[in-house]
Order: sequence, then structure tokens, then C-alpha cells
Amino acid sequence: GAVVSQHPSRVICKSGTSVKIECRSLDFQATTMFWYRQFPKQSLMLMATSNEGSKATYEQGVEKDKFLINHASLTLSTLTVTSAHPEDSSFYICSASRTGTKTQYFGPGTRLLVL
Amino acid sequence: QKEVEQNSGPLSVPEGAIASLNCTYSDRGSQSFFWYRQYSGKSPELIMFIYSNGDKEDGRFTAQLNKASQYVSLLIRDSQPSDSATYLCAVYGGSQGNLIFGKGTKLSVKP
Repeated sequence: GAVVSQHPSRVICKSGTSVKIECRSLDFQATTMFWYRQFPKQSLMLMATSNEGSKATYEQGVEKDKFLINHASLTLSTLTVTSAHPEDSSFYICSASRTGTKTQYFGPGTRLLVL
Repeated sequence: QKEVEQNSGPLSVPEGAIASLNCTYSDRGSQSFFWYRQYSGKSPELIMFIYSNGDKEDGRFTAQLNKASQYVSLLIRDSQPSDSATYLCAVYGGSQGNLIFGKGTKLSVKP
């Protein structure tokens, strides 16, 4: 299989706090992981590409100081939303590719609500 | 700007019919193509991928690729109400090895 997990599945926080989301590839090694955001009834938006052991590459318009990405191992990438605001409320989804392949397998997503 | 285009739908088909989902892409050099299904409120799940011109079948699903026309499609035979979802076409081609996603086609299969 190719199973990707995310934790937490749902989080509610107060405005101004930081939230960390974990993405794990459970049964394979993933050199590259991707972080997406999806607002209701809208399409997937790629936020950043994360490569193990190196800095993430952010898409245009995504603030790297606000969305901190760490990919410290071949099975774990984390996204930290710093100083979250209500407009950051969204569905955050990670995906991972087996090392050497192009297919992306998605995690179940994390629903963030900032009050 | 590499683009992937899909008709947003909704595409409505009766149960048991064939659903045909279409996708065009702008980068002629693209080599890898993927179809994902996304149920409302859930994350995308991989249905299948195709690399070569022609058809690739997996159960009730058939992916068709025509690189000359820059066109990829997904056929769903014997459509079931449980197939009702948004279908995302994705093309490998980003500079960082990422997939370029279309906006998705919403499919509704009526009992």
C-alpha cells in the first residue's frame, strides 16, 4: 500500500496561536511531500513542496514565514501555521511520493478553524 | 504557465451508464497523467495513472491518453451512485516535481 496519515484531523484554535500539522508516510519512504490548501467548493491549491533535508519551495503568494515547513525525515513532514487568523481557516492536505516516483498519495487532511 | 483544463460540470449520468470525464493539458512535453477522486469533505484518492498513448483499464475505470491531442479522459463503466464525486485530472510537470491539477469535474450518478 501507500498510506499517508495526518494529525490532527481537525483543530480549532484562537486567533494568534500557532498550529502544527503532521504528515506521515506510514509504509513507504517519501523524499518529497507536498502541502495543499483547499477552501470550501474550491480546487486544490499547492502551497509548497517539501524535500527531505532541504528547505521547502513555496508557491507564489504563500508566505514562508507564516507557513513553516519541516521535512526532517523520509516519513515525516510538518506544517506550522504561525499566528493563525480566521482567514487561515481551511482544509490542509498533504501528499507524499515514494522516492523515485511521481505518483502522489494524499493524507486524509486537517480541517483548521481559527476563531 | 502550464494548465490543466476540466469541465466543472456537474455531469449527471443515470446508474449503470458510462460516465466520460475529459481533461486537456497545455504542456506538450508532459509524460505522466493521473486521475483522482475526491468525495465532498474528503481528500483526493488515486484512481489510476497513465503514461502511454492508448487505453489503460482497471476494473470499471478506463483511462485514455492521446498525447498528440493533449487530451486524457476517464471512463467509468456501470456507474454507481457511490461514484458521485469530483474527479481531478493531474499532470506531472511542475518544476519541483509537483502535479498540476485541474479544477475537477463533479459527477453525479442518479439511481
